[in-house]
Amino acid sequence: IAGITQAPTSQILAAGRRMTLRCTQDMRHNAMYWYRQDLGLGLRLIHYSNTAGTTGKGEVPDGYSVSRANTDDFPLTLASAVPSQTSVYFCASSATGTDTQYFGPGTRLTVL
Amino acid sequence: QKEVEQDPGPLSVPEGAIVSLNCTYSNSAFQYFMWYRQYSRKGPELLMYTYSSGNKEDGRFTAQVDKSSKYISLFIRDSQPSDSATYLCAMRKEGTYKYIFGTGTRLKVLA
Repeated sequence: IAGITQAPTSQILAAGRRMTLRCTQDMRHNAMYWYRQDLGLGLRLIHYSNTAGTTGKGEVPDGYSVSRANTDDFPLTLASAVPSQTSVYFCASSATGTDTQYFGPGTRLTVL
Repeated sequence: QKEVEQDPGPLSVPEGAIVSLNCTYSNSAFQYFMWYRQYSRKGPELLMYTYSSGNKEDGRFTAQVDKSSKYISLFIRDSQPSDSATYLCAMRKEGTYKYIFGTGTRLKVLA
């Protein structure tokens, strides 16, 4: 059982480039989340999806977009990366009606 | 002012000590509270969740919520070096999927 996988593990990206971070879960959880984690700021919610086909904005959605075409996948896209998007990105999922989020291993993104 | 405040530490304690980790929050609409543990370069993992004021115990861990004071705590008894990690509190309001996390407290348990 893999749980949640994220790809890539790390990436260095030039400013202005487009980048998609991938997230896949095999637990058939309805809810999925994207967070960024920055020193001194903790984990902040970017976008979430409570079921396939629906998405919602979190605390820091600007500059990011998501889609949820099916239950398992929840990609996060940076349309035009900026240095302030340098961060560690975590994807998470949870079953409907529970607060137990399962986190992926994270993607370390550096935007130069 | 942040909605959730958490002392970043680091907090260093000797092995076997009782550890107290705390978060305060400003919005009384928060109803659901969680504690996560995060080891270096790993994703967070849920330790405990609690929805009501009072104490909830699980092994060496006790979560405490005081809604009247807007204050939550995590106590770790008989702390071990393997407890060395960053501990994050999290909370959400009724009817939302938006979780607000504290910044995390880094704990070091010295052997």
